[in-house]
Amino acid sequence: DIQMTQSPSSLSASVGDRVTITCRASQSIRTYLNWYQQKPGKAPQLLISDASGLHSGVPSRFSGSGSGTDFTLTISGLQPEDFATYYCQQSFNSPLTFGGGTKVDFK
Amino acid sequence: QVQLVESGGGVVQPGRSLRLSCAASGFTFGSFALHWVRQAPGKGLEWVAVISSDGTDESFADSVKGRFTISRDNYRNTLFLQMNSLRTEDSAVYYCAREPKPTRGFYYYFDYWGQGTLVTVSS
Repeated sequence: DIQMTQSPSSLSASVGDRVTITCRASQSIRTYLNWYQQKPGKAPQLLISDASGLHSGVPSRFSGSGSGTDFTLTISGLQPEDFATYYCQQSFNSPLTFGGGTKVDFK
Repeated sequence: QVQLVESGGGVVQPGRSLRLSCAASGFTFGSFALHWVRQAPGKGLEWVAVISSDGTDESFADSVKGRFTISRDNYRNTLFLQMNSLRTEDSAVYYCAREPKPTRGFYYYFDYWGQGTLVTVSS
């Protein structure tokens, strides 16, 4: 199984900050990497697919990059509604696996 | 608009069975692969199972293989998860989730999710 490791597991930030979350795969997954945002009590929502493809309706302050084993989610100019937990997920093969999550909270 | 509505959760004793349903609307149900993903209280996301659009291909996480089955009724636009021999570690919110494009194969990621149904396995 492919292991997905996210870092940090949590971070504190302020509105307007640039936030970077990293995700590392235990083997190459090319660009088969997706990012989700989850708010408390809600289902996850797709942000980025195939490492860098912004999902419809997602604000342009969200961006993704990377290939192979190392990936990054960047939020350029954190907004109040962005305080949430973020997960990466590999879609290279089954079983599908998620990173452990990164909780972004208010500094 | 796309809607996925899970039901069937509840409290069940270890070793017993439960069947979850996911009623879909707003898209051509029989054209999309569908998944179950779960989340234990306070924990991260764990993929459980997938079924192809025509129901002929499926895959499971090792943690549920041999105990859970996935099926779908493309006439009733409903996805199912039959959970047998339940364990305390199966306690979680169970989400159904749709793949992003119609296909006979898999894209292995999710663009729409239901609101989830809570399963608690406890004596």
